[in-house]
Amino acid sequence: DAGITQSPRYKITETGRQVTLMCHQTWSHSYMFWYRQDLGHGLRLIYYSAAADITDKGEVPDGYVVSRSKTENFPLTLESATRSQTSVYFCASSEWGNGYTFGSGTRLTVV
Amino acid sequence: AQSVTQLDSQVPVFEEAPVELRCNYSSSVSVYLFWYVQYPNQGLQLLLKYLSGSTLVKGINGFEAEFNKSQTSFHLRKPSVHISDTAEYFCAVSGGSQGNLIFGKGTKLSVKP
Repeated sequence: DAGITQSPRYKITETGRQVTLMCHQTWSHSYMFWYRQDLGHGLRLIYYSAAADITDKGEVPDGYVVSRSKTENFPLTLESATRSQTSVYFCASSEWGNGYTFGSGTRLTVV
Repeated sequence: AQSVTQLDSQVPVFEEAPVELRCNYSSSVSVYLFWYVQYPNQGLQLLLKYLSGSTLVKGINGFEAEFNKSQTSFHLRKPSVHISDTAEYFCAVSGGSQGNLIFGKGTKLSVKP
């Protein structure tokens, strides 16, 4: 089906472990984004990508790594998970600025 | 830098009453404006967007918003709310060099019978 899919939907991991959140879109949108949603903060941008092999930091990038070897995939990796990274993570895609579609989110708990 | 301020963190209303959720933005460039709704434990769903043209924008579920450039506002309105409108609403702006959306902190709408 066309759309943007995130996996897993739920994840529990231990402090210090590496974890990767997946994001896949079928529209061939140029732009992709990762946000985290925390109570009292709304959604904050972690990383974004303007095209394959082009990525850049957003507002809260520390502790995260991204890659974009293919247009349709934009994985987010927590290199060494911390409790402060417990959050809901949303992936989004866009074709420059005027339409954004969000995935269903990944609820990550770091224990 | 762009920013979005949602003036109310919580708005309680009774069913069938009108509601207005307020949003102000700051930007030195032309912007696109959006309202998203998030139901409990779900993702974000686009309610409406302003890209250009008419300043009154109609969206889904009977919502509408008015773009006011002089007041840098984009308030969301509904003339008569339902219990099912209970959700969190996010105002967002795009138009910066990153092409990303900048969100307000959200307004929780609680509709009571």
